[in-house]
Amino acid sequence: NAGVTQTPKFQVLKTGQSMTLQCAQDMNHEYMSWYRQDPGMGLRLIHYSVGAGITDQGEVPNGYNVSRSTTEDFPLRLLSAAPSQTSVYFCASSYSISAGVPETQYFGPGTRLLVL
Amino acid sequence: TQLLEQSPQFLSIQEGENLTVYCNSSSVFSSLQWYRQEPGEGPVLLVTVVTGGEVKKLKRLTFQFGDARKDSSLHITAAQPGDTGLYLCAGVLWVHNDMRFGAGTRLTVKP
Repeated sequence: NAGVTQTPKFQVLKTGQSMTLQCAQDMNHEYMSWYRQDPGMGLRLIHYSVGAGITDQGEVPNGYNVSRSTTEDFPLRLLSAAPSQTSVYFCASSYSISAGVPETQYFGPGTRLLVL
Repeated sequence: TQLLEQSPQFLSIQEGENLTVYCNSSSVFSSLQWYRQEPGEGPVLLVTVVTGGEVKKLKRLTFQFGDARKDSSLHITAAQPGDTGLYLCAGVLWVHNDMRFGAGTRLTVKP
């Protein structure tokens, strides 16, 4: 199993450009999520999905869109990039949820995004 | 302000030393997790604690959940260079079932 894979590893964007960060998992996990990690801030939840066709907002959803057409894939879209979106983005998946919260989360290696 | 405050932010020690890092909050958590993250990689789950006062051991690592479920500690005995990394705590809020992460403690163990 490859686990959770993310592409690209690095990306530089200009303000106003759009792009999609890809995330895929081959563990048949129903729960998937996107986080951003900024210095001194820890990981913050952007969006999550409890299964194909179901998505919901996390703590910091503004400026990001997601969709979940298959169990395996959970892309994150930046519609109009802003310098404030410079960050490291992590995708995670989990087999089970307890009281609405993922139990063991498996994280991808991350995408480093710089918005100029 | 972080919901979960981790201390210290940075810690640099020699191989063989013992250390303790802390994860504190004024909020109550139904469970708390500890992760280790190495440079260029995603966090990896080390342990989940769910009962107030619970102590779990993972080789040289000892994790404790506070009696009031508001704090946790991670103690490493005889640290090794392989323990180097960013240690993150993440708690599930009792009231909202919402998971929040701390900013982490960056540990460096020198040979």
